[in-house]
Amino acid sequence: EPEVTQTPSHQVTQMGQEVILRCVPISNHLYFYWYRQILGQKVEFLVSFYNNEISEKSEIFDDQFSVERPDGSNFTLKIRSTKLEDSAMYFCASSGYSNQPQHFGDGTRLSIL
Amino acid sequence: GEDVEQSLFLSVREGDSSVINCTYTDSSSTYLYWYKQEPGAGLQLLTYIFSNMDMKQDQRLTVLLNKKDKHLSLRIADTQTGDSAIYFCAESSLGSSASKIIFGSGTRLSIRP
Repeated sequence: EPEVTQTPSHQVTQMGQEVILRCVPISNHLYFYWYRQILGQKVEFLVSFYNNEISEKSEIFDDQFSVERPDGSNFTLKIRSTKLEDSAMYFCASSGYSNQPQHFGDGTRLSIL
Repeated sequence: GEDVEQSLFLSVREGDSSVINCTYTDSSSTYLYWYKQEPGAGLQLLTYIFSNMDMKQDQRLTVLLNKKDKHLSLRIADTQTGDSAIYFCAESSLGSSASKIIFGSGTRLSIRP
């Protein structure tokens, strides 16, 4: 069964550094998403992306965050200047159409030191 | 805003049925989901139900939806040790052009021998 893959599985970064989290969505999917889960808390929506532009973003997704689909297969989340509170598990998801079930990757655990 | 609530813990005896309950607030929900998260792992889509249905059965899993009361439940028949995990209830409704998912806090299911 096709799946969403995320790399790396664990990223450790110094505070203030830039980090790029990578995702390969399911190949025929058109909608892409990022979510995060701070340890012990709910999974929170960050951003949705369709047709090469952001469809919706949450309050968490401030100017430090950006997303990109640099080629036909990858979908990336960049955090420009990381803060301690960015430490979390980041999940990528994709769906075929806007209101079809979203399939999630295994996540990238981001640790900011 | 939208909210999804579920109890935090459930303990059942191996072989019994587990019932995990959830309530949500968004009356425009289109899909309701159950995701499973094992320790250190990603979010596995277990099952989902469209909001115009009231029941869905898939092997050991039964989902019941009471749209009037905005109540969703997941029943796992013949619960096994491998069912130990956190179960997230979630809902989505169509946003601007993509659907974000709103998650509950998760119910930690533990199995006793």
